[in-house]
Parts: sequence; structure tokens; C-alpha cells
Amino acid sequence: DAKTTQPPSMDCAEGRAANLPCNHSTISGNEYVYWYRQIHSQGPQYIIHGLKNNETNEMASLIITEDRKSSTLILPHATLRDTAVYYCIVRVTGTASKLTFGTGTRLQVTL
Amino acid sequence: NAGVMQNPRHLVRRRGQEARLRCSPMKGHSHVYWYRQLPEEGLKFMVYLQKENIIDESGMPKERFSAEFPKEGPSILRIQQVVRGDSAAYFCASSPIQGARASYEQYFGPGTRLTVT
Repeated sequence: DAKTTQPPSMDCAEGRAANLPCNHSTISGNEYVYWYRQIHSQGPQYIIHGLKNNETNEMASLIITEDRKSSTLILPHATLRDTAVYYCIVRVTGTASKLTFGTGTRLQVTL
Repeated sequence: NAGVMQNPRHLVRRRGQEARLRCSPMKGHSHVYWYRQLPEEGLKFMVYLQKENIIDESGMPKERFSAEFPKEGPSILRIQQVVRGDSAAYFCASSPIQGARASYEQYFGPGTRLTVT
């Protein structure tokens, strides 16, 4: 699986959009971009995934650049409950393989 | 956490005892994964199982650790002769079968916190 690079930490004011970047310059054509988050010491939570088109669900939006070398997870209206470590993971689709977690981005949402 | 159940939530064992951690996947999921998170560290993959089969155990320590996912019942992660370094949070995840083009997103349980005294 391709390596990902994320900033170690970010701050965001409550109510504002949180934009979390991820670089995956060695991504292959058959690899998806997945985002998970871990709130405090809870189990990781699946957020969203995508291949090359932008994706949106009830939790977030995922913007993938045209060359697929980077992506951005957008939480449109961050709340205090979104404070967590966010992990960007690149993984081959079509196989039920392991997730390789990096160090992620620690997002702190403040009042 | 999307219905994956783990028990116990907290487990205390003395050095040398055995620890058994259980994981019941979401209904309809037949893929189970175990991950370990040591204090102040990231999540590390341990093992991936399907019913009655170990598919990938590349992250399992060579000794004292074993895992199974029987035809009936939960998946079990077993740690024999525990040592203090085994103290960690152990997370189980499951994923569904969706066919050849499946994305296999994983849904995690709340974890078992193992403390070895």
C-alpha cells in the first residue's frame, strides 16, 4: 500500500470547516483513499473513501486531486465532538486486506 | 461503533496468566481483523481471519499469541503467559462481503483494554 503523509496536528474553530490534507504521491491506480478517525481511546470510526471522484456522505466530503496524489477530508461544520485523530489510508480495493495506520492528524476543535 | 462487540471491555491479568479476548462481528460480516494499540502509539495490524481460516497473520507476535474465528461463535484472540508489554488496547474490526468490487471498509469495536500487573 502507498505511503501517506499528514500534518501531525491542526486546530479548527467550532462551526467552521475543517480541511484535513493528505499526500499520497505514490498511489497506484487500483488503490482507494480511506479516512478513519479515532476519538480519544475509542475504536476507530470509518468516515469515507474514494477512488478518483469527489465523495460526500453524512459525515464528510472527500476531495481527491485529479492526479490522485493528494486528497482533503472536509468536515463542513466542525463540532467539539469532532476532536480526534484522523487517519488517511491508501489501500487496494477488491481485497479485504489490513489497514495500515500512520500517525494521523490530531484535530483539535475549539470554542 | 457500528455493532461490533468486544468483551470484556477491561481485563486485568497477572504476569504469566492467559488472556482471552472476544469479538463478535457485525451481522453478515465474515471478515474479522485484530489490531493492537500500545500506550501512546498507533494502531498496528495483528491478524485477519475469515470463518475457520487465518488469512493474514503477518502482524502477530511469533510466540504466545493466537487467534481463531470458528464456524460458530465469536473470534478469539488468545495471549498465553502474558507479560507487562502486552498491556494495550486490542481492537477488533469486521468487514462485509460485497462482491468482487467491494471496498471492504472496516467497522471497529470499542476495544478491550488489557492491563498486565
